Amino acid sequence: DTGVSQDPRHKITKRGQNVTFRCDPISEHNRLYWYRQTLGQGPEFLTYFQNEAQLEKSRLLSDRFSAERPKGSFSTLEIQRTEQGDSAMYLCASSIAGNYEQYFGPGTRLTVT
Amino acid sequence: GDSVTQMEGPVTLSEEAFLTINCTYTATGYPSLFWYVQYPGEGLQLLLKATKADDKGSNKGFEATYRKETTSFHLEKGSVQVSDSAVYFCALNGGAEYGNKLVFGAGTILRVKS
Repeated sequence: DTGVSQDPRHKITKRGQNVTFRCDPISEHNRLYWYRQTLGQGPEFLTYFQNEAQLEKSRLLSDRFSAERPKGSFSTLEIQRTEQGDSAMYLCASSIAGNYEQYFGPGTRLTVT
Repeated sequence: GDSVTQMEGPVTLSEEAFLTINCTYTATGYPSLFWYVQYPGEGLQLLLKATKADDKGSNKGFEATYRKETTSFHLEKGSVQVSDSAVYFCALNGGAEYGNKLVFGAGTILRVKS
């Protein structure tokens, strides 16, 4: 069990650029979640997948954000035309369906300059 | 919607002091409750959980009891150590009807002095 991994750990980009983050869940976990955490706040839910199906998206997830999990394993989160307000820690978590415990990766810290 | 409220920090304690971090929740259904811990420079780690009323979760000397009547899940530890310094998050999961998502409190910073 290698845990949830995320790549990259840090990303600095200029406003208007597109960025993509990757998450690899724990291997037997069929649910995968994305959260966003800003300084001094708890994580906020963005979206989740069960296998390859995206089952829910938060209203926080504007149309500049898109997430995929094409084969039901790893997932990508893309932000198009980044804005300074997108600067945050992006967290990925995974779980087994029917189990409410979620296990988190180390996060990707995005800084938009 | 569902929400979690935690006591504001930072909480500063001397080593071996008793710790309480208050957490209350608002939920429509019967959520599962969690405490997560975030050490400096690291990701969120699940500390303990409780899935129904009167359940007590415990781990590493930390405990929390699911109190439905007061909608609370306060975190306690009898004797803190410097290594417990971290940010602690209370969270709930309302289940499939509510998207299986975790709803977090704002976090409480704990600083333990030697």
